[in-house]
Amino acid sequence: DAGVTQSPTHLIKTRGQQVTLRCSPISGHKSVSWYQQVLGQGPQFIFQYYEKEERGRGNFPDRFSARQFPNYSSELNVNALLLGDSALYLCASSLGTVNSPLHFGNGTRLTVT
Amino acid sequence: AQRVTQPEKLLSVFKGAPVELKCNYSYSGSPELFWYVQYSRQRLQLLLRHISRESIKGFTADLNKGETSFHLKKPFAQEEDSAMYYCALTGGAGSYQLTFGKGTKLSVIP
Repeated sequence: DAGVTQSPTHLIKTRGQQVTLRCSPISGHKSVSWYQQVLGQGPQFIFQYYEKEERGRGNFPDRFSARQFPNYSSELNVNALLLGDSALYLCASSLGTVNSPLHFGNGTRLTVT
Repeated sequence: AQRVTQPEKLLSVFKGAPVELKCNYSYSGSPELFWYVQYSRQRLQLLLRHISRESIKGFTADLNKGETSFHLKKPFAQEEDSAMYYCALTGGAGSYQLTFGKGTKLSVIP
């Protein structure tokens, strides 16, 4: 079981730059969700995608966007980076059916300087 | 708005002692409640969910709708239980928008 894979593992960017984070779900999983985890806090929901359609969006500004590809992998894009965007970004996949559990990746640690 | 509160940032217990990690929630409806665990250098993983009514690694959690609580319990703590524990909820009905608490770090003292 390869699990959910995320790349890169670490990233350092400057304020104002743009970043793209990538996620490959577990084989057979059609749903991908993104979470932001700031140090000392629990993960906070950003997006959920299922079968390439956005199914849910958390309380994040329009600088955050995402998409899901035909192979169910996903990208999270953040534009005009702010210092406050520094966080661990977690991707989770699931079958997308009722009661199927989320499986999390190890995350991408983003540092904005 | 839905909210999850874990009042303890850190909980230290001795090996063999009972453990109770507290979780209270706020949700106007019928939520699904979960406990997630993150062991050192490992990814976040599901420990248990209230709809399964099962015991995982000796842990149980009962949903108390009257007190809006979902406390995690284990009668005898083991050193390998040391980890970060997060309580989370969704709105049910297939919603995967998890709302997490801030987490409680459990430290089991040998």
